[in-house]
Amino acid sequence: AQKVTQAQTEISVVEKEDVTLDCVYETRDTTYYLFWYKQPPSGELVFLIRRNSFDEQNEISGRYSWNFQKSTSSFNFTITASQVVDSAVYFCALSEARGDSNYQLIWGAGTKLIIKP
Amino acid sequence: NAGVTQTPKFRILKIGQSMTLQCAQDMNHNYMYWYRQDPGMGLKLIYYSVGAGITDKGEVPNGYNVSRSTTEDFPLRLELAAPSQTSVYFCATQTAVRTEAFFGQGTRLTVV
Repeated sequence: AQKVTQAQTEISVVEKEDVTLDCVYETRDTTYYLFWYKQPPSGELVFLIRRNSFDEQNEISGRYSWNFQKSTSSFNFTITASQVVDSAVYFCALSEARGDSNYQLIWGAGTKLIIKP
Repeated sequence: NAGVTQTPKFRILKIGQSMTLQCAQDMNHNYMYWYRQDPGMGLKLIYYSVGAGITDKGEVPNGYNVSRSTTEDFPLRLELAAPSQTSVYFCATQTAVRTEAFFGQGTRLTVV
């Protein structure tokens, strides 16, 4: 069955520390897409990145980086030199090309990240 | 471009009342979704639509109804509101499930 697990419910670090948010997924499909979204305290949902299953290259965008490993079914998100503005809830999500839920995103439960000044 | 517009932003309902949450998009996306997010929790899918005239149930459809008569609009109807429906409701659109989802700002609903 399709599933996204974000085992870390809450992470708290001091500003400038690096932090990694874990995302582990399950799918039977060979073609699928993975996403990260950010939900700051103001409540809106903001798209961060999309990855397809055929592209295992890691992605870096400023202080953000994503490590996609098919061998471990993981799509982890790292923030380098964290800042207070990074405090938010981060969601990982999965969509499949041909699976049972091919019209729906499968969402993880989210990880609340707290960056202390 | 407005993107995805949800109205109202806030609402307090009494138990047993009904209301419609509005969602309108101007991006011509076929896929539209309604989610609810309970405090401190993730997103749960209520209903979705893959095009005008087509709707289907998500994970938590009980107590809700939807319609999709146009590409632009996807209203969510609450009949006989209950305290368990106190939540933040998000509408989202996508061109396809493999693409980025665009979210509205959310509707914070309290049922008392």
